[in-house]
Amino acid sequence: EAQVTQNPRYLITVTGKKLTVTCSQNMNHEYMSWYRQDPGLGLRQIYYSMNVEVTDKGDVPEGYKVSRKEKRNFPLILESPSPNQTSLYFCASSLYLGEQETQYFGPGTRLLVL
Amino acid sequence: AQKITQTQPGMFVQEKEAVTLDCTYDTSDPSYGLFWYKQPSSGEMIFLIYQGSYDQQNATEGRYSLNFQKARKSANLVISASQLGDSAMYFCAMRGGGGNKLTFGTGTQLKVEL
Repeated sequence: EAQVTQNPRYLITVTGKKLTVTCSQNMNHEYMSWYRQDPGLGLRQIYYSMNVEVTDKGDVPEGYKVSRKEKRNFPLILESPSPNQTSLYFCASSLYLGEQETQYFGPGTRLLVL
Repeated sequence: AQKITQTQPGMFVQEKEAVTLDCTYDTSDPSYGLFWYKQPSSGEMIFLIYQGSYDQQNATEGRYSLNFQKARKSANLVISASQLGDSAMYFCAMRGGGGNKLTFGTGTQLKVEL
């Protein structure tokens, strides 16, 4: 089954404790992206990757890191989480970078930073 | 810069009735794609329908249709014969030239009533 998976689905952590949210896709997609969703703001892009070892900042990259060492994986790293990073996070992928290509979303990761 | 505006924070519709969810957009890109996603209370993002900026006909997918008015920069979603399972948050999104991200609106919460 074609899918984007994220782990963990739910996470409660404390300020400053490093964490990683994993994202994996099995569709051989080149393009992957991370979004965060906050009430009243819709989804905003954090980082994206056009291919292995190629990443770039989105609209809200502060406090986050990413890496793309393999085509299928695109982990999101919070080196020192803060309460304002409490959010719902989505990983997404698409076959290529193009305005007509829809993105497929993972199930989401709900993060609470205390 | 791209912008998506959804002016209806919440809407109610009776079961079996049709409902229109509004979406207007702003972009300077000559080529772009418009998408609608459904987010049920469980949180996942479900792709519904796509309209390309050069498509001559309005997109349809089952009970979903997209009323695309390019001159007015609007891309309203029409759901026919509403069902209780249509109750969800609906997001309009646009992917512009270069296609490195989806720009989302703030969403419309739809509730279908008996």
